[in-house]
Amino acid sequence: DSGVTQTPKHLITATGQRVTLRCSPRSGDLSVYWYQQSLDQGLQFLIQYYNGEERAKGNILERFSAQQFPDLHSELNLSSLELGDSALYFCASSVTGLAGGLTDTQYFGPGTRLTVL
Amino acid sequence: DAKTTQPPSMDCAEGRAANLPCNHSTISGNEYVYWYRQIHSQGPQYIIHGLKNNETNEMASLIITEDRKSSTLILPHATLRDTAVYYCIVRVNSGAGSYQLTFGKGTKLSVIP
Repeated sequence: DSGVTQTPKHLITATGQRVTLRCSPRSGDLSVYWYQQSLDQGLQFLIQYYNGEERAKGNILERFSAQQFPDLHSELNLSSLELGDSALYFCASSVTGLAGGLTDTQYFGPGTRLTVL
Repeated sequence: DAKTTQPPSMDCAEGRAANLPCNHSTISGNEYVYWYRQIHSQGPQYIIHGLKNNETNEMASLIITEDRKSSTLILPHATLRDTAVYYCIVRVNSGAGSYQLTFGKGTKLSVIP
């Protein structure tokens, strides 16, 4: 158990719909990351938040958005869903998310499996 | 793009040491090497990381060559539960003082009874 929690575990929805995935980081971690893992793309970094502020963006679609709340939990919003959005979505957290100084390790949650029909 | 090269698959007999190689010939001086593994569709699990020196923890050992162009993850006594995809990642420093982990395809390790 990494200490990172994600809900829901599974989500089945239809094309065109909107869903929200939730992540609670490990106690003490300020940085949250979202990743998408589909069969043909592998694990792809989407976005990072640090203490409520967006810090880095990866291959995140404009239909997707995220935020980190004052209690440090994060939500990933996926809208206008397409069949190709079916994937595993992982959240990870780390203490700082900063490159300098001490090393910083990301710990991953169990993921949310999204199926778009 | 991932900065690492790993064999796509490896087999290891149960109870023997599993040695997983990784090439990272373009690594920069301040970039760390991280190893994660993913069992089936579970979340990636952190194993170990290092910069220059060899590292050991309760899960594994990491041997980094002196020129830092390659490394080897060693699982000393592999068990069936170690069957997983193992990812070798170079932690790349990006803008605003942050960094990114870029996952490649990894090595599928099969531990055989």
